[in-house]
Amino acid sequence: GQNIDQPTEMTATEGAIVQINCTYQTSGFNGLFWYQQHAGEAPTFLSYNVLDGLEEKGRFSSFLSRSKGYSYLLLKELQMKDSASYLCAVRELGTSNYQLIWGAGTKLIIKP
Amino acid sequence: EAQVTQNPRYLITVTGKKLTVTCSQNMNHEYMSWYRQDPGLGLRQIYYSMNVEVTDKGDVPEGYKVSRKEKRNFPLILESPSPNQTSLYFCASSRGQGGSPLHFGNGTRLTVT
Repeated sequence: GQNIDQPTEMTATEGAIVQINCTYQTSGFNGLFWYQQHAGEAPTFLSYNVLDGLEEKGRFSSFLSRSKGYSYLLLKELQMKDSASYLCAVRELGTSNYQLIWGAGTKLIIKP
Repeated sequence: EAQVTQNPRYLITVTGKKLTVTCSQNMNHEYMSWYRQDPGLGLRQIYYSMNVEVTDKGDVPEGYKVSRKEKRNFPLILESPSPNQTSLYFCASSRGQGGSPLHFGNGTRLTVT
């Protein structure tokens, strides 16, 4: 069946690096998204991976291993404004063009 | 400015009183979707639409209706709201191709008493 697992909560220190993991089980993989969501606000798009490897965007990077059903989001030089929930979402093959399976999200707390 | 506009932002209502949450996008996106978000459960899809006059059920459609008469609008209708529909609702749209991301509205926090 379909399943996405993320840690519920993580804590990190301002200026440090944190890695948020996402593992998934699907019948056929067709892309993985990461979104950031501040409390009470709308999710905003961070990254998209469909091939294995690392995608870098400034302080944020996302990695994908399709054979392991695994992705991570790497946040460098953490800032207080990075305190938010991070949502992992996977699109399956065979679904309609844009159906996503969502993880429950990882709440990241940044401490000074 | 490219955006998805939801209204209202906050709504308190009573059980059984019909309500509509509006959603409009100005990006000419084909794909639109409604989600509800509850603590610990993440985003759950209610309904989605691949194009005008084409709508389909998501994971939790019971108690909701939608329509897509125009490309830009995708209202969510609760014919007879119940307390278990108290939630944070998001409308989203996308070009629906490849890595095209979802663009979300600002959310509607609904309380049904």
